[in-house]
Amino acid sequence: QSVLTQPPSVSGAPGQRVTITCIGSSSNIGADYDVHWYQQLPGAVPKLLIYGNTNRPSGVADRFSGSKSGSSASLAISGLQAEDEADYYCQSYDSSPIGPVFGTGTKVTVL
Amino acid sequence: EAQLVESGGGLVKPGGSLRLSCSATGFTFSQYAINWVRQAPGKGLEWVASISAVSTYIHYADSIKGRFTVSRDNEKNSLYLQMDSLRGEDTALYYCVREISSWYYFDSWGQGTLVTVSS
Repeated sequence: QSVLTQPPSVSGAPGQRVTITCIGSSSNIGADYDVHWYQQLPGAVPKLLIYGNTNRPSGVADRFSGSKSGSSASLAISGLQAEDEADYYCQSYDSSPIGPVFGTGTKVTVL
Repeated sequence: EAQLVESGGGLVKPGGSLRLSCSATGFTFSQYAINWVRQAPGKGLEWVASISAVSTYIHYADSIKGRFTVSRDNEKNSLYLQMDSLRGEDTALYYCVREISSWYYFDSWGQGTLVTVSS
C-alpha cells in the first residue's frame, strides 16, 4: 500500500508559522485526488482539520490552512500556539491499489 | 451528532481470531460508507478496510487482505471486522470511521478498541 511522505517533525516558536509537506505520487495526489489533514492531540482521537485541500470544518481556527500542487500538498499553521502541539497526518485516495492512504505523520513541537 | 463506538478488542494469541464491532448513532447509518483505520502503539495511522453504504463496494489494505473481513448490518446500525490469522503486527488501536464518500475523507471517529496479538 502506498503511503504519503511527511517530515517526521517540525518545530517553531509561539507566534511563528510552520509548514508541513505531504508528498504523494501519480496514483494518489498526482491523480487529482483531494488531500485532507487530521490533527491528533496527545492521547486523543484524530480530528479532521482540513478537507478538500483547502477547506476548514466548522470550529477549526483560520490559523490552519491547506494547499495542493501537483503530487504534493502542504498544511500551514500560522501564529503557532502551545495547544497546536500534536501529530498531523495528511490523507488522500489511491487508485492503485484502491483505497485511502495516510501520510507518515508529523509531530509539531512548540518551542 | 454522529457517534461511533467500537467494541470487541482484547488479547489474542498469534494465529487466533477476533471480531470487532462498531455501533453507530446520531446519523442515518445506511447512507454512509464506513472504514476501519488502525494505529499501532506509537505509530501512525493505517487504513484497513472500507465498506460502502449498502455493502456494494468493499476494499482492503494489502497488509490484511485474505485475513480480515468487513461487513455491516444497516438494520442494526452496526459495522463488523472479522479478523483471522492474527499476527503480532496487527496489534493496534482499531478505529471505526465515517467516510464522506464524495470527497474520500473521514469526518467522525470512534474512540477505538485495542487489539493485542501476543503469546
